Amino acid sequence: EVQLVQSGAEVKKPGESLKISCKGSGYSFTSYWIGWVRQMPGKGLEWMGIIYPGDSDTRYSPSFQGQVTISADKSISTAYLQWSSLKASDTAMYYCARPEGIWGQGTLVTVSS
Amino acid sequence: DIQMTQSPSSLSASVGDRVTITCRASQGISNYLAWYQQKPGKVPKLLIYAASTLQSGVPSRFSGSGSGTDFTLTISSLQPEDVATYYCQKYNSAPHTFGQGTKLEIK
Repeated sequence: EVQLVQSGAEVKKPGESLKISCKGSGYSFTSYWIGWVRQMPGKGLEWMGIIYPGDSDTRYSPSFQGQVTISADKSISTAYLQWSSLKASDTAMYYCARPEGIWGQGTLVTVSS
Repeated sequence: DIQMTQSPSSLSASVGDRVTITCRASQGISNYLAWYQQKPGKVPKLLIYAASTLQSGVPSRFSGSGSGTDFTLTISSLQPEDVATYYCQKYNSAPHTFGQGTKLEIK
């Protein structure tokens, strides 16, 4: 079965760093793009960026460029989304997703002092 | 970047009604358009891709049409389980922008 399994919920303080993960299984991890999507509480879906694990080609939405880093480790079939300095406004559900319609279960990130 | 605009933002209809949601791209995107359904507290579910291709397992009352800049999602006979927010998404090139969503309720 093709699936994306994300890391668990996180509670962080403003200014802290964070890296969340998305592990792919049931398919050739290096052959398919994986993207990240943000959903703030009560709001819509926002596309953040995407990576092709085969060669690490990465594209960002202008809204998120410089705010987050997307990476992948093909040796362990895992994609990552990371922040160097979290803000309260980063509080949201984050999904990884393949454009073919395969989504992870979501990782809730809460940033609060 | 190409903007995706959905209308209406919210919609209330009766069971059995035919419901149509539109999505407009600010520039042509050929047929690189997907529709997602998201129920409260759930992961978005792909309904339609390539503007009009029904994802496996999706009920046939859902259909999509359009090409270029104008697209529609149609539910031929609204069911109670269709209460959700619906999003269009372009995927011809990055960024794969979503529309702002259409919240569908039962009247």
